[in-house]
Formats: sequence, C-alpha cells, structure tokens
Amino acid sequence: SQTIHQWPATLVQPVGSPLSLECTVEGTSNPNLYWYRQAAGRGLQLLFYSVGIGQISSEVPQNLSASRPQDRQFILSSKKLLLSDSGFYLCAWRPVRIGSVDTQYFGPGTRLTVL
Amino acid sequence: GESVGLHLPTLSVQEGDNSIINCAYSNSASDYFIWYKQESGKGPQFIIDIRSNMDKRQGQRVTVLLNKTVKHLSLQIAATQPGDSAVYFCAENGSSYKLIFGSGTRLLVRP
Repeated sequence: SQTIHQWPATLVQPVGSPLSLECTVEGTSNPNLYWYRQAAGRGLQLLFYSVGIGQISSEVPQNLSASRPQDRQFILSSKKLLLSDSGFYLCAWRPVRIGSVDTQYFGPGTRLTVL
Repeated sequence: GESVGLHLPTLSVQEGDNSIINCAYSNSASDYFIWYKQESGKGPQFIIDIRSNMDKRQGQRVTVLLNKTVKHLSLQIAATQPGDSAVYFCAENGSSYKLIFGSGTRLLVRP
C-alpha cells in the first residue's frame, strides 16, 4: 500500500530564516506531487505541482520554491521566511494512470509558525 | 484553483441524525468529483468520489449525489456520529493534474 510522509510535523522559525520541508511517498512510482498551504479556517491553496523529477510548476508567485530531486521526494523551500508564510503545509500525491482521473491523497501536514 | 473563505459555513446536527453537506462546482466540463474530510490538525482524508457518468454513489454510511444540470454535489452522512465532526471539502478535477477545491463546510455533531 502507498503511504505519504511529511516532516517535520511542526516548526517554529524566525522571520528571515531559511525553510526546508520534506515529503516522501512510498509504494508507488512516478506519482504527481503537490504542495498546498492552508491558512487557519480556510481552504487549500495550491502552491506547486510536479509531474516528474526536476519538473516543477508554480501556481502563485511567492517567497517559496519547490524541488523534486527524486521520483518520490518533494521539497518545499524558502531562503528567507516572511510572517505571511505561516500556515499548514500539505503534500499530496496522485497516481498516474493513462486514461483515468484519480484522486489526490494527502500527507499529515506540517504546521509552520513564523515569528 | 484557489479556495478561499474567511469563515467556514457550519452545519450543526444532533448525533444520530443524517447530515447533508452541499457544494456547488464551477466547471460544467468537470467529470470527476471527490469529497474529503479534514479533522483538526490533520491532512484531508479521501471519503468518496464520483464520476460524471453517475448521479449517485454509496459508501459506508455516506452517499454522494451529483446533479450536473445545476452543477451541484452533496454528501449525505447517515446516523451522524461524534467522530464525523470535521471540515468537509468537495473537489472537482480542474485539469489533468489539478483539483479545484471548494471552501469547506464545518460539521459539528451535538451529543
């Protein structure tokens, strides 16, 4: 069966510090991978998605970047965090099957607080 | 594809009653729809999905209804339990790669 991991689970960082959040998926190959951010009491904002190694699409201009160095690894980074980067960050994966639309499965999330 | 909303609409139901959560979707060309449940501090969890060639699909205690004429999706939960308290999101396939999420509904179950 497939599983998705995110770490750390919680993170408190000062403004201006760097960020690295990691997501890994097990039990599948060549998944689509996604990063979302969720502000408190709000919906899901898609930040980045990737259809393969080294392929990153950005949905909104922002202070963050993403990378996919391996097939099942997705990393969210920032060089200098802003207060507005605080939120709940969710990684998701989707199986890729030709001719089929499939759901996305979410990880447990990382709660980021920027002070 | 961004889902926004400062205050989530809330549905309060008595334990044991049936719950109906509604969602209006935007794209008449969407052919796949999903309901997610998100408990506090956790990632969204897949509940049930439906394709546009169906108008009803049943799972364990849950039923999803799709009305393509008015672009409306609903999630029915039978015999609602305290463990059903969560935020529920609908989603439609926006493209080959992306989902478009609704703004969410908070379900509160009164004991």
